[in-house]
Amino acid sequence: DIQMTQSPSSLSASVGDSVTITCRASQTIGIYLNWYQQKPGKAPKLLIYTASSFHSGVPVRFSGSGSGADFTLTISSLQPEDFATYYCQQSYTTPYTFGQGTKLEI
Amino acid sequence: QLQLQESGSGLVRPSQTLSLNCVVSGGSISTGGTSWTWIRQPPGKGLEWIGYIYHTGSTYYNPSLNRRATISIERSKNQFSLELTSVTAADTAVYYCARIWMADYFFDYWGQGALVTVSS
Repeated sequence: DIQMTQSPSSLSASVGDSVTITCRASQTIGIYLNWYQQKPGKAPKLLIYTASSFHSGVPVRFSGSGSGADFTLTISSLQPEDFATYYCQQSYTTPYTFGQGTKLEI
Repeated sequence: QLQLQESGSGLVRPSQTLSLNCVVSGGSISTGGTSWTWIRQPPGKGLEWIGYIYHTGSTYYNPSLNRRATISIERSKNQFSLELTSVTAADTAVYYCARIWMADYFFDYWGQGALVTVSS
């Protein structure tokens, strides 16, 4: 299985800050990397697919980059609604696997 | 707007079979280029992909489940289902159904989740 490692596991920030979350795959996965946001008690929501493509309705302050094995999710100008847990997920091959999550806190 | 809704047993005895349904509304489960999947999340933990069924009926499962999972599709009801046999406490989780857009293999629509507790 492809292991996905996110860093940091948790992150404290303030409204208006810019933050970056990284995700590393245990092998090359091309650009088959997706990012999800999950709020407590809710299902994850797709933010970014194939490393850098925006899902419909996602604010432009979210951006993704990377290829191969190293990827980043950047959130610029944090808004109150952005405090949540973020997961990366590889869709290069089955079994699809997720990172352990990054909890973004105020 | 596509919507997915899980339903099923909330409490399952150890060694029994967990059964969940996911009804799809606002679109057809037979739409080309889509697959339908189950993902679970133990309380306070991360996400684990269980498996998916392609719109044609082909299935793929996570080997970590040791062949205990079966996903099926019922086109007449526009729904798909999960059965997980021989459950233990480790199978206690929120179970999500979701759609996979197979062009780029991302999970774009999710159900709200169903908590299944395995306990005697």
